Amino acid sequence: KQEVTQIPAALSVPEGENLVLNCSFTDSAIYNLQWFRQDPGKGLTSLLLIQSSQREQTSGRLNASLDKSSGRSTLYIAASQPGDSATYLCAVLTSGTYKYIFGTGTRLKVLA
Amino acid sequence: EAQVTQNPRYLITVTGKKLTVTCSQNMNHEYMSWYRQDPGLGLRQIYYSMNVEVTDKGDVPEGYKVSRKEKRNFPLILESPSPNQTSLYFCASSLGYGANVLTFGAGSRLTVL
Repeated sequence: KQEVTQIPAALSVPEGENLVLNCSFTDSAIYNLQWFRQDPGKGLTSLLLIQSSQREQTSGRLNASLDKSSGRSTLYIAASQPGDSATYLCAVLTSGTYKYIFGTGTRLKVLA
Repeated sequence: EAQVTQNPRYLITVTGKKLTVTCSQNMNHEYMSWYRQDPGLGLRQIYYSMNVEVTDKGDVPEGYKVSRKEKRNFPLILESPSPNQTSLYFCASSLGYGANVLTFGAGSRLTVL
């Protein structure tokens, strides 16, 4: 059964720092992995989607990488800003299923 | 505007009183799904639908029903709500399966007394 873990659960950094959020999964047979952002009391906003055949995706200051063999993905945020403060979640779609499995998220606070 | 719309956004009800949370998308998406989000447990999938009249259970389907009679709508039905169904519920959709981004609704916070 696929399990998705995100460590750390919470992170505080000063503005301007580059940071890395981690997502690990137990079953490497995946269709894709998605990273989402969730603001308090709001829905999830998709940030990046990486297909199983891809190694990374980039959007602005965000870069997500995927290493299926080790069951890991990282979300790199460059030059962090207070507006980046949110909870970041990763979700995995395992091959042969139609179910997305989510990690419990990393709560990020960027201090001005 | 392309979006997933959930109603109601907030609801307080009592044990046993049937309720329906509606979900509608205007993007002609085939795949739709429901999740609940609880502290410490993250998002867990309740039901999903690959297309009209095609639905299947997710990881936590007990106590819930769904239907997909039209492509745009995917209501979540709680026939006899119980306090353990107090949660934040999200509906999501995507164009197809596997290669497409999931688009989420704003969420529905349900309290069952």
